Amino acid sequence: GNSVTQMEGPVTLSEEAFLTINCTYTATGYPSLFWYVQYPGEGLQLLLKATKADDKGSNKGFEATYRKETTSFHLEKGSVQVSDSAVYFCARDNGGSQGNLIFGKGTKLSVKP
Amino acid sequence: KAGVTQTPRYLIKTRGQQVTLSCSPISGHRSVSWYQQTPGQGLQFLFEYFSETQRNKGNFPGRFSGRQFSNSRSEMNVSTLELGDSALYLCASSLNRDRGSPLHFGNGTRLTVT
Repeated sequence: GNSVTQMEGPVTLSEEAFLTINCTYTATGYPSLFWYVQYPGEGLQLLLKATKADDKGSNKGFEATYRKETTSFHLEKGSVQVSDSAVYFCARDNGGSQGNLIFGKGTKLSVKP
Repeated sequence: KAGVTQTPRYLIKTRGQQVTLSCSPISGHRSVSWYQQTPGQGLQFLFEYFSETQRNKGNFPGRFSGRQFSNSRSEMNVSTLELGDSALYLCASSLNRDRGSPLHFGNGTRLTVT
C-alpha cells in the first residue's frame, strides 16, 4: 500500500547548521507531497508542497524537491534557527484524495543556541 | 480570518462512554478531514467529508463515526470508548478537494480515556 518513510529523530543541531530530513514515499501513482510542521501544543501547519516531478516547494528558508526517480522529498534548510525547533512530518496524498494524507512518523528537531 | 476551531480542547472520559468532538472549519472551506495522533501510531486518517458527504474513511472500527453539516461544521463521535482511544484528535479543513489543496489543521482535542 501507500506509505511514507522519514528519518527517525530526534535531530539536534546548533543554530546556523545545515538541516536535512530524509523522506521517501511509495511510488503508487504520482502523489502530491507535503511537509508539515507541528509546534508544541499546536496542530500541524503546512510548510511546503509539490504536486509534480521536479517541482521544488519552498517556504521560510526550507526547500524540498519532488524526485520521482528516487521517490524522495527531502527537506533542507541552509541555516536553522532556535525557532525552527518542532516536529516535521512528510506526507503524501492517498489515491488522489487531498483530504486523506499518509504521514510519516515525524522527526523532532531541536536547535540549540 | 479565523482558523480551524476544535472544541473542547481537553476531554477525560471513562471506558465504555461515548464522546462527541466538534470542528469548525475556516470560513469558505468545504472539506473537513479528521486524524488521530498517538505516540505509537503517529497520524492516522479517520474520515473526510465534503458537501455533507463522507468521501473517504480510514481503517478504524465502526465505533468511530462522523458527519458534516450544511455550514461545513463537522462532528466526530466515538462510542464505547476504549483505553486505546486516548489520543489527540485533529481536524483539518481545505477549500476544496483539488490536487495539492493544503490542509489547515486545528489545535486538536486531547481525549483521555480512563
